[in-house]
Amino acid sequence: DTEVTQTPKHLVMGMTNKKSLKCEQHMGHRAMYWYKQKAKKPPELMFVYSYEKLSINESVPSRFSPECPNSSLLNLHLHALQPEDSALYLCASSQGGAQETQYFGPGTRLLVL
Amino acid sequence: ELKVEQNPLFLSMQEGKNYTIYCNYSTTSDRLYWYRQDPGKSLESLFVLLSNGAVKQEGRLMASLDTKARLSTLHITAAVHDLSATYFCAVDITTSGTYKYIFGTGTRLKVLA
Repeated sequence: DTEVTQTPKHLVMGMTNKKSLKCEQHMGHRAMYWYKQKAKKPPELMFVYSYEKLSINESVPSRFSPECPNSSLLNLHLHALQPEDSALYLCASSQGGAQETQYFGPGTRLLVL
Repeated sequence: ELKVEQNPLFLSMQEGKNYTIYCNYSTTSDRLYWYRQDPGKSLESLFVLLSNGAVKQEGRLMASLDTKARLSTLHITAAVHDLSATYFCAVDITTSGTYKYIFGTGTRLKVLA
């Protein structure tokens, strides 16, 4: 199984809502990533969990909060988002961390109204 | 600040022709990755280049890395329509567990029949 799954596929939320994005992989990978991609732009790395250790892109605002309940699951909690946070959110995993092939999920398209 | 630039940004080419996409980056790194993204889709990993002089080939695509010149190339041989996509390079300057992974601007390739 070389699949990374993400739910939901699409999400529309208001600026006062709290929602979560979910990502799952069953490849035994020990690193998982969240990326944000705006239309016609390259992806930007937001967070990395590697062997349960979190690494944060310091430019990511605190209204995004990652959680890694176990090595197969990765959540991204969203709270008080802004319209400019509307984007495609991509999850990826790799076997151990940097220097390895990343496998991407299909993404969640988020629209913040 | 790390900058990763690709050129060209847009490329329209005839089937059967050869062409090269360039990825220049501004700081020392010996880890570079190439990805493909189809419109409205997620990313697919193409190549992982981990040392100076590394060369990888898959089908009609060949990638190379020159860390001294801070340059990677993605060469397309005898292009076919199915290669139409956006191609991103990404440079990894992760140190001491702090992930820093920057994508290039992307090259949108259109192969004309």
